[in-house]
Amino acid sequence: QVQLVQSGAEVKNPGASVKVSCKASGYTFTDYYIHWVRQAPGQGLEWMGYINPDSGGTDYAQKFQGSVTITRDTSISTAYMDLSRVRSDDTAIYYCARLFETQSRYFDLWGRGTLVIVSS
Amino acid sequence: SYELTQPPSVSVSPGQTANITCSGDQLGDKYVSWYQHRPGQSPVLVMFQDNRRPSGIPERFSGSNSGNTATLTISATQALDEADYYCQAWDSSAVVFGGGTKLTVL
Repeated sequence: QVQLVQSGAEVKNPGASVKVSCKASGYTFTDYYIHWVRQAPGQGLEWMGYINPDSGGTDYAQKFQGSVTITRDTSISTAYMDLSRVRSDDTAIYYCARLFETQSRYFDLWGRGTLVIVSS
Repeated sequence: SYELTQPPSVSVSPGQTANITCSGDQLGDKYVSWYQHRPGQSPVLVMFQDNRRPSGIPERFSGSNSGNTATLTISATQALDEADYYCQAWDSSAVVFGGGTKLTVL
């Protein structure tokens, strides 16, 4: 079954780091880029960045440069999103999504999301 | 940076046609995708490459993109179509989402 399985909910204190995982199954992990998108309460979808699982190359939205690190472990077909120095406004559902690329590029497969709550 | 603008909300009666717009500078020169997002669920791709439906998406969903505006059209709208809809395009290698439109079927 083709799917992305994300890690469970997290509760963090302000200033801590949080690492969310996204395990791919049912397809060749290195064939598709993985992107991270979040949705804060009452807000829309916000793109954070991506990783090329084959090369490990990454790119981040300007807003998240310096605070987000996306990595991968090809041996277990898993991508990770590490958010450092979290604040209350980082409370959100974090999604990983697979990028399908042909003539156009679009997200054809999404994880179920990981709720991250930042609260003291 | 590139921006996509959507109306915050659209209301439609069951069986009628809903049009959700997405505006951006020279948007017609880009490919637009649309995602349906129901509360508590993951986003679902409902349209890609402006007007192509993924398998499993009803023919009631159609799309267009020209000039500065892309439109997602839902014909014969049903209660289960009630959700948030997001347009998405690319600004070079960066992903851009519209602010989302809440579709209410009443």
